[in-house]
Amino acid sequence: EADIYQTPRYLVIGTGKKITLECSQTMGHDKMYWYQQDPGMELHLIHYSYGVNSTEKGDLSSESTVSRIRTEHFPLTLESARPSHTSQYLCASSDDRGLDQPQHFGDGTRLSIL
Amino acid sequence: KNQVEQSPQSLIILEGKNCTLQCNYTVSPFSNLRWYKQDTGRGPVSLTIMTFSENTKSNGRYTATLDADTKQSSLHITASQLSDSASYICVVSDRGSTLGRLYFGRGTQLTVWP
Repeated sequence: EADIYQTPRYLVIGTGKKITLECSQTMGHDKMYWYQQDPGMELHLIHYSYGVNSTEKGDLSSESTVSRIRTEHFPLTLESARPSHTSQYLCASSDDRGLDQPQHFGDGTRLSIL
Repeated sequence: KNQVEQSPQSLIILEGKNCTLQCNYTVSPFSNLRWYKQDTGRGPVSLTIMTFSENTKSNGRYTATLDADTKQSSLHITASQLSDSASYICVVSDRGSTLGRLYFGRGTQLTVWP
């Protein structure tokens, strides 16, 4: 099992609240990713990082922001949650030593905005 | 347009039976194709990876095939078990998983009944 952890697992919160989804990995991976996944749909990359102080936006436009101050930690923040942000958020990491390394996923945070 | 299409969308089989899941892709250039298994409420876990020169690869009761000419892959599950119930996601990389983009299919939802 990969050592990548997401908290909380579930979050139900009201509109307008500030939310931070936590993601930590203990594998020393430089590359980390955030995906959004809706039921029956493909994963969409919303943010990624190639290392400390490196963050990039992914393919899917997102109102969230990320930071990478430490290698093992890649939190995602929503400044003002809206019902349209309701989704499952998956964090992943990968080893950049050599090509074709798999991404190791956390178990996700299921976010519901009321 | 780079796309990954999976079929069927969902499948129900009886325990002990075999099944085959399909993945067609239009991603170019092609680097590798990976099958992930995603249990309900969990993150995806890598099952196999296929590179351009590989035709078949097995991982226990899972056997993946790749036809790079027709841009098709299949995942065959032998002697299914209840624990095989999950979503199976096909992911294609265009320049290597650590350098290029990943293109995700929507998954096939497999249910194994006793």
